[in-house]
Amino acid sequence: DAGVIQSPRHEVTEMGQEVTLRCKPISGHNSLFWYRQTMMRGLELLIYFNNNVPIDDSGMPEDRFSAKMPNASFSTLKIQPSEPRDSAVYFCASSTGTRSYNEQFFGPGTRLTVL
Amino acid sequence: GQQVMQIPQYQHVQEGEDFTTYCNSSTTLSNIQWYKQRPGGHPVFLIQLVKSGEVKKQKRLTFQFGEAKKNSSLHITATQTTDVGTYFCADTSGTYKYIFGTGTRLKVLA
Repeated sequence: DAGVIQSPRHEVTEMGQEVTLRCKPISGHNSLFWYRQTMMRGLELLIYFNNNVPIDDSGMPEDRFSAKMPNASFSTLKIQPSEPRDSAVYFCASSTGTRSYNEQFFGPGTRLTVL
Repeated sequence: GQQVMQIPQYQHVQEGEDFTTYCNSSTTLSNIQWYKQRPGGHPVFLIQLVKSGEVKKQKRLTFQFGEAKKNSSLHITATQTTDVGTYFCADTSGTYKYIFGTGTRLKVLA
């Protein structure tokens, strides 16, 4: 298995531009998570999907952020418009089932820099 | 809300020395998971602890869950340069919502 796949790996954009991050979870996993990691705030859960349905988006910072999961093998996280404070590493993770004690498999992350 | 703190924040050790990181929660932990993130990498699952007082070992790594389920620790015996990275604990709070600790960054000096 290729593991969780994220693209792009690096993104540099200018303030005000739209940014779309992509994630392909591990086949058969029905839970998908988007995280943001910064030095100041650590690892923060942004949104959680189960069976393609958004269950909890309380971690999404503001309306500029949106996430979709149109099918079991693809999810996007969009920032529009982007701001310098959005600069961070964004991780996608997937796991099986809904039980709380399933390990999460993280993708390699997308390092976003907003100038 | 729940906070999961780890100490120390940073630790530099000489290769061969032992290392311990502590994970403390403001509330009772449900299940605790430990992850390792290499520099420039992504978090990788190490282990999960479920029962009060549980101790698990993986080669040179020893994981412990406190009796009151409010803390956990990871101990590495005789560190090696391959142990470099940031170690995170994560509490699942009994649901899907994983609360990650602040992390301990380990540097091993050869």
